[in-house]
Formats: sequence, C-alpha cells, structure tokens
Amino acid sequence: SQTIHQWPATLVQPVGSPLSLECTVEGTSNPNLYWYRQAAGRGLQLLFYSVGIGQISSEVPQNLSASRPQDRQFILSSKKLLLSDSGFYLCAWSVGTEFFSSYEQYFGPGTRLTVT
Amino acid sequence: LAKTTQPISMDSYEGQEVNITCSHNNIATNDYITWYQQFPSQGPRFIIQGYKTKVTNEVASLFIPADRKSSTLSLPRVSLSDTAVYYCLVGPSGNTPLVFGKGTRLSVIA
Repeated sequence: SQTIHQWPATLVQPVGSPLSLECTVEGTSNPNLYWYRQAAGRGLQLLFYSVGIGQISSEVPQNLSASRPQDRQFILSSKKLLLSDSGFYLCAWSVGTEFFSSYEQYFGPGTRLTVT
Repeated sequence: LAKTTQPISMDSYEGQEVNITCSHNNIATNDYITWYQQFPSQGPRFIIQGYKTKVTNEVASLFIPADRKSSTLSLPRVSLSDTAVYYCLVGPSGNTPLVFGKGTRLSVIA
C-alpha cells in the first residue's frame, strides 16, 4: 500500500530564517506531487505541483520554492520566512497522466509551521 | 471550473443518518464529483467519488441525480468521530487543480 510521510510535524521558526520541509511517498511510482498550505480557519491553497523529477509548477508567486530531486521526494523551501508563511503545510500525491486527471489525492499528515 | 455550494455547518445526533448536499449547476460533462473529509490538524481524506446515479463504499454513499447539478453525501449512523469538515469538489475538466472551499462543518452531538 501507498504511504506518504512529512517532516517535521511541527516547526517554530523566526522571521527571516530558512525553511525546508520534506515529503516522501512510498508504494507508488511516478506520482503527481502537490504542496498545499492551509492558514488558520481557511481553505487549502495549492502552492506547487509536480508531474516528474525536476518538473515544478507554481500556482501562487511568493517567497517559497519547491524541488523534486527524486521521483518520490518533494521539498518545500524558503530562504527567508515571513510571518505570513505561518500555516499548516500539506503534501499530497495522485496518479494519472495529466496534472489533475484525478481528483483523488492522498494527503500527508502535515507540518504545522509557526513563524515568530 | 465548476463552482460548488454547500451548507457552512450542520449538527446531528449520534446514530442518525446525515445527508450533505452540494450544488454544482455548471458541472461539465467530463467532471466527477469528489468528497473529502478533514479532521482538525490533519490533511483531507478522500471519501468517495462518483459520476452519476449512486456510489457506495464502506464509509459513505454518494447520490447524483440525472441532471448532475447537485449531489448528496450520505453518512449512515454517524458517531462523534465523524465530526469534521466535508468538502465537495467538482472536476477536473480543463485540467484545473483542486480548489477546496470552506466545506461543511459537521458536528455530531452525543
């Protein structure tokens, strides 16, 4: 069966510090991968998606970036965090030949980021 | 992208059947209807997906009328652990990403 891991589970970082969140998927090959952010009391916001190694598409311009160094690894980064970057970050995967050919996505446990 | 409308919140007692209706008047021919469940501090969980008529799995049933302009998620005999936010999504015509709205906050009362 497929599993998705995210770490760390919680993170408190000062403004201006760097960020690196990691997501890995097991049990599937060539998944589509996604990064979402959910601010307190708000809906999910799609940040990045990827259909393959080195292929990243950004949905929202901001001070975050994403990379996919391996087939089942997706990394979210920032060089300098802002207060507005606080939120619940979720990684998800799906299968399909198109980015959103399936609305059946599977989410990881999430990382709660607090920027102070 | 088909817009969806669902109630902001619902309350139910334990053991009752809960039906959450979602309106999607401009659903496209290629669109599917998908429902997710989200508990606090967790990622959304895929519950069920359908195209027409009725779909049932171990968690819920999804009823879709012939015109497909609405759908109803049915949760049989809810328990306290079913308290969560339920999202209705329609797509993916036009190869568009998932857009989670505010969903329906279901509160199950003992």
